[in-house]
This record gives sequence, structure tokens and C-alpha cells, in this order.
Amino acid sequence: GAGVSQSPSNKVTEKGKDVELRCDPISGHTALYWYRQSLGQGLEFLIYFQGNSAPDKSGLPSDRFSAERTGGSVSTLTIQRTQQEDSAVYLCASSLGGPSYEQYFGPGTRLTVT
Amino acid sequence: QKEVEQNSGPLSVPEGAIASLNCTYSDRGSQSFFWYRQYSGKSPELIMSIYSNGDKEDGRFTAQLNKASQYVSLLIRDSQPSDSATYLCAAGSSNTGKLIFGQGTTLQVKP
Repeated sequence: GAGVSQSPSNKVTEKGKDVELRCDPISGHTALYWYRQSLGQGLEFLIYFQGNSAPDKSGLPSDRFSAERTGGSVSTLTIQRTQQEDSAVYLCASSLGGPSYEQYFGPGTRLTVT
Repeated sequence: QKEVEQNSGPLSVPEGAIASLNCTYSDRGSQSFFWYRQYSGKSPELIMSIYSNGDKEDGRFTAQLNKASQYVSLLIRDSQPSDSATYLCAAGSSNTGKLIFGQGTTLQVKP
């Protein structure tokens, strides 16, 4: 079956511009996660959606970052007024829900802020 | 702060040898554990999940869990150069919906 998809695969933007990154989870997966991975670094948790519950936003690094999930499926991560330190690979993962279930990752969006 | 600790490596093994990757976790309530493989420039790929104490085998991979020692390991038998990658250990949080990831161990398998 189809896995997690993300778009765009690459995004180059100028400092100060806003960007939107999209994630399509595996069909039927109720949980959706966003992570960030800087070059040579580990995964940094950003935000977690589970069903209709309020999202866990505890990992968002600043108020320039926000995310929404429409209809319990597709999610968009928005970064406003991008900074060079936002350059990283943004990864989306989905699961059947909660920490007991396996997370499956999308291919990621590589964001470069110039 | 719940943590998962891994030796960053690199761990270098000759082709055909057994590679042993280790991980410790601090959340005593964790009940689920996962190993991911990440090739350079790619996203993490799930290779093993384990929930009970003991060993779980899948092909050349064996995951081992010891909850009393809060220790998880991954053994790769007959290591191949194609196994060269970063291996991420993750533990399910006992009080949130998240997985806690380690920083990863880089494995190099030399022909």
C-alpha cells in the first residue's frame, strides 16, 4: 500500500519568507508526527496529532512554527519568516496511534533558507 | 527528561561478522521499542519492533530487550556493506504519545 508522502521534496526559500510543508499519512493512521533533522544530527520532535485530540506542540521551537491537520488526514507544517537556522530536513511519520505502534516515515522535505 | 542513549560510533565491523548495537533508556514505564535504519540522505526505515523481554529474530536481525536493565540491543548477523547506515533506537513514552529517539549509532561494514 501507499506509504507516507511529503511535498515538496526540496524547498529553497529566502530568509524572511513563509513556507508550507505537506504530509499525507498512511490511510487509516490516526497519529501523525513532525520531526526535524539537521545535518548529521538526530531527530528533533516538533508536533504530534492523535485523532481529534489537541495536538502536542511541545517540540515547536518558536511561535514561527505551526501545524494543522485537516479532516484527520493531511497535515501542513508552516514556518513563518524563515531563518537560516530553519534549514533542515523535515520528516513526517504516521502510526495507528500512540507510543505502542510503529511509526512509518515519509521521505522528508529538505528546506534550505538562503 | 526521558532519554534514549546510544553510542554514536562509528562501529566498524568486517563483512560477515556480527554487528552489535546497544541502547539504554531512562523511562522505566516504556513498553515498546523500535529500531530504525537510516541511510545517508534518506529517511528512517523501521526494521524491528520489540515489546517483551527476550529475543526477537527477523532474518539476519535479532532484537533483544531487558526491561530490568532498561537495555535494548540489535544484532546483525552476517553483516554486509549494504548494512552500513545509522541505526536509531526508539522507546515509546509511558506518559505521552511519542517515541523517544536516540541520536543513532553509525555502523560501517568493511568488505
